[in-house]
Amino acid sequence: NAGVTQTPKFQVLKTGQSMTLQCAQDMNHEYMSWYRQDPGMGLRLIHYSVGAGITDQGEVPNGYNVSRSTTEDFPLRLLSAAPSQTSVYFCASSKDRVAGELFFGEGSRLTVL
Amino acid sequence: GIQVEQSPPDLILQEGANSTLRCNFSDSVNNLQWFHQNPWGQLINLFYIPSGTKQNGRLSATTVATERYSLLYISSSQTTDSGVYFCAVERLNRDDKIIFGKGTRLHILP
Repeated sequence: NAGVTQTPKFQVLKTGQSMTLQCAQDMNHEYMSWYRQDPGMGLRLIHYSVGAGITDQGEVPNGYNVSRSTTEDFPLRLLSAAPSQTSVYFCASSKDRVAGELFFGEGSRLTVL
Repeated sequence: GIQVEQSPPDLILQEGANSTLRCNFSDSVNNLQWFHQNPWGQLINLFYIPSGTKQNGRLSATTVATERYSLLYISSSQTTDSGVYFCAVERLNRDDKIIFGKGTRLHILP
């Protein structure tokens, strides 16, 4: 089992560009979420999904968009990248609840110039 | 909102030493998890422990929910234990939000 797979692992963008971070899981988990990690801070929830077709906002949703068309995939879209979105992004999945036992991908490091 | 505080913020130990990491939270919680982020950035779930004690090899964790704290014990430290340890809690209202502490950075010297 691959678990939770994120791509790309590294990305550099210019301000105003858009991009999509991909996340896929093969554990048949209903619940998926996106977090960002900034230096000296813990992880903060961006968006989450409780199943295909259902998403909701987390703590820091502004500037990000998500969709969940299948159980396996949960992409995160940056609509118009800003330097404040420079961060490391983690996708996670869980079996029982969004706030259940979390399994993380390896992270995607994004730099916005 | 709920505050999650971890201590100490940094810890440097010699290989073979034991350590205790603490996580305090300011309100009642539904569950608590401990994670290890290794030097390559990978996040590994160590324990899902809303209450009581669990052990996994050299690591064990205890959560005393009524007193609002959890402890992570690492015995006979190895250099591979280096990294940042996070605790994360879900508030008692089960609103699907997990709040992370800022972590304890552990450096094990060979």
